[in-house]
Amino acid sequence: DIQMTQSPSSLSSSVGDRVTITCRASQSISSNLNWYQQKPGKAPKLLIYAASSLQSGVPSRFSGSGSGTDFTLTISSLQPEDFATYYCQQSYSTSITFGQGTRLEIK
Amino acid sequence: QVQLVESGGGVVQPGRSLRLSCAASGFSFRSYGMHWVRQAPGKGLEWVAVIWYDGSNKYYADSVKGRFTISRDNSKNTLYLQVNSLRAEDTAVYYCARDHGDGATLSAFDIWGQGTMVTVSS
Repeated sequence: DIQMTQSPSSLSSSVGDRVTITCRASQSISSNLNWYQQKPGKAPKLLIYAASSLQSGVPSRFSGSGSGTDFTLTISSLQPEDFATYYCQQSYSTSITFGQGTRLEIK
Repeated sequence: QVQLVESGGGVVQPGRSLRLSCAASGFSFRSYGMHWVRQAPGKGLEWVAVIWYDGSNKYYADSVKGRFTISRDNSKNTLYLQVNSLRAEDTAVYYCARDHGDGATLSAFDIWGQGTMVTVSS
């Protein structure tokens, strides 16, 4: 299976900060990388698909980049509603895998 | 509106079985691949299984292969997950999710249900 490793595992930031979360794949996955946001007790929400495409309805402060094995999710200016857990996921292999998650907390 | 609603969860003894359902509405269910994803309490997301739009292909996580079966009834707009030989480590919220792609390739999960809880305990 392709292993997905996110860093950091947790992060404390303030409203207005620029935040970057990294996801690394154990082998090349081209651009088959997606990002989700999950809040406590809720289902995940798709933010970015195919590494850099913004899902409809998602604010433009979210952006994604990367290809091959290294990917990033950037939030340009944190808003109060952005404090949540973020997951990357590869859809390159028929054995789909998620990263372990990055918990974004208020400083 | 576009919606997925899971049902069928509950408390079950180890070794027993359950059938989870996911009712779709607001979109052409027969055109999309569909997934099951689970999340154990306090843990991350784990992909479980996928089925192509027409049921022609199915893939499973190693952790459930041989015990879980994904299926669909396009005439009823419903996705299923038959879960057999349940273990304590299968305790989780089970989500169904729609694949963003063309129904026969893998992409992102763009629509999620609210989840159904399965607790395996004696």
